[in-house]
Amino acid sequence: RKEVEQDPGPFNVPEGATVAFNCTYSNSASQSFFWYRQDCRKEPKLLMSVYSSGNEDGRFTAQLNRASQYISLLIRDSKLSDSATYLCVVNSGAGSYQLTFGKGTKLSVIP
Amino acid sequence: DGGITQSPKYLFRKEGQNVTLSCEQNLNHDAMYWYRQDPGQGLRLIYYSQIVNDFQKGDIAEGYSVSREKKESFPLTVTSAQKNPTAFYLCASTNRRVLPNQPQHFGDGTRLSIL
Repeated sequence: RKEVEQDPGPFNVPEGATVAFNCTYSNSASQSFFWYRQDCRKEPKLLMSVYSSGNEDGRFTAQLNRASQYISLLIRDSKLSDSATYLCVVNSGAGSYQLTFGKGTKLSVIP
Repeated sequence: DGGITQSPKYLFRKEGQNVTLSCEQNLNHDAMYWYRQDPGQGLRLIYYSQIVNDFQKGDIAEGYSVSREKKESFPLTVTSAQKNPTAFYLCASTNRRVLPNQPQHFGDGTRLSIL
């Protein structure tokens, strides 16, 4: 079983749409969860951390379900500038600073 | 501004040659990491270092070597033993003094190709 699994996409959505990405992880001891954004041929950049209570940052909402080992990212009112690959990232176990990266879900927002 | 600087941005390697990728950070982070990314693939961990003068192998360390003589610097050498070195190499760092939810911050990468 892959450690961090994501739907590779691509997700092609019109501007203004709401889009949701899902991610599952296999290590039940993981404590830290993140969504990163990676533009084409660029480095990954932290989009947001994911907290147990769920958290929101503007148009972006992240949710964590520890029982199901499932993380989600919701993007509302999609903009052209949201086009990128979104990486689900999980730390490698209790107390570990190592991160395990999903392969990413590609999003294209179309005018 | 604090950050992570990788150089060069592009690098070409001749067959049988060792090349070294530079990674410098001024974030005062203890932990530093090297990843490799192939097209359409996720990041794979090559080596990491949690403190000066100490480092550990990641998932794909064969054909690579590192050193950590200074807190700010974590150079990666791609040796001739690495038969498929063409990839995007990313250096990252993190503050080990904070848990949980401590992300890693990345440099802007080095693209390595074989001549």
